[in-house]
Amino acid sequence: EAGVAQSPRYKIIEKRQSVAFWCNPISGHATLYWYQQILGQGPKLLIQFQNNGVVDDSQLPKDRFSAERLKGVDSTLKIQPAKLEDSAVYLCASSLGDRGRFSYGYTFGSGTRLTVV
Amino acid sequence: GENVEQHPSTLSVQEGDSAVIKCTYSDSASNYFPWYKQELGKGPQLIIDIRSNVGEKKDQRIAVTLNKTAKHFSLHITETQPEDSAVYFCAASRGNDYKLSFGAGTTVTVRA
Repeated sequence: EAGVAQSPRYKIIEKRQSVAFWCNPISGHATLYWYQQILGQGPKLLIQFQNNGVVDDSQLPKDRFSAERLKGVDSTLKIQPAKLEDSAVYLCASSLGDRGRFSYGYTFGSGTRLTVV
Repeated sequence: GENVEQHPSTLSVQEGDSAVIKCTYSDSASNYFPWYKQELGKGPQLIIDIRSNVGEKKDQRIAVTLNKTAKHFSLHITETQPEDSAVYFCAASRGNDYKLSFGAGTTVTVRA
């Protein structure tokens, strides 16, 4: 089974610029998550999709972050404009997520390391 | 929301010794408790998990225990090896389709 694919692996931008990250989940996984991991901390959920609908975006800074999951497969996360404090690793994860099924396991991608200078 | 605390933040052990990491959680509705291992430049990888209807689970050299009354769970690694060196995260969730709330991580170093 192929894993969760993310690109790019690294990105360096200046503050106030925009950036986009891409994620391709494991085939058949209905639920997709974007997490932000600041250096030295545990991952923090930004947004959760179930198919192409948003389940939880309560921690997403909506004034600058946006995300979409067209056709319930790939997803993109965008930051515009970026701030210095957005420097972090952005992790995408997917799970079967079919309500009622006894399946909790996530699979994470390798992440995109963003540096804002 | 859920608050997960993890201790210690760093742990150095001699190869062959055991390592123990402890976590506490705040949300009594949490019923799923996974542990992740993260190596440099990689995403977290699930190594073991436990659900609230089980008190202990073991998989070869790793084991997890859960005390729902006290709201704490622990990871035990026995006979540590150099390849066990990594950052370990505990997490808690209300279950299917709910977000994971992570601890801050424990950096484990196994000395040869």
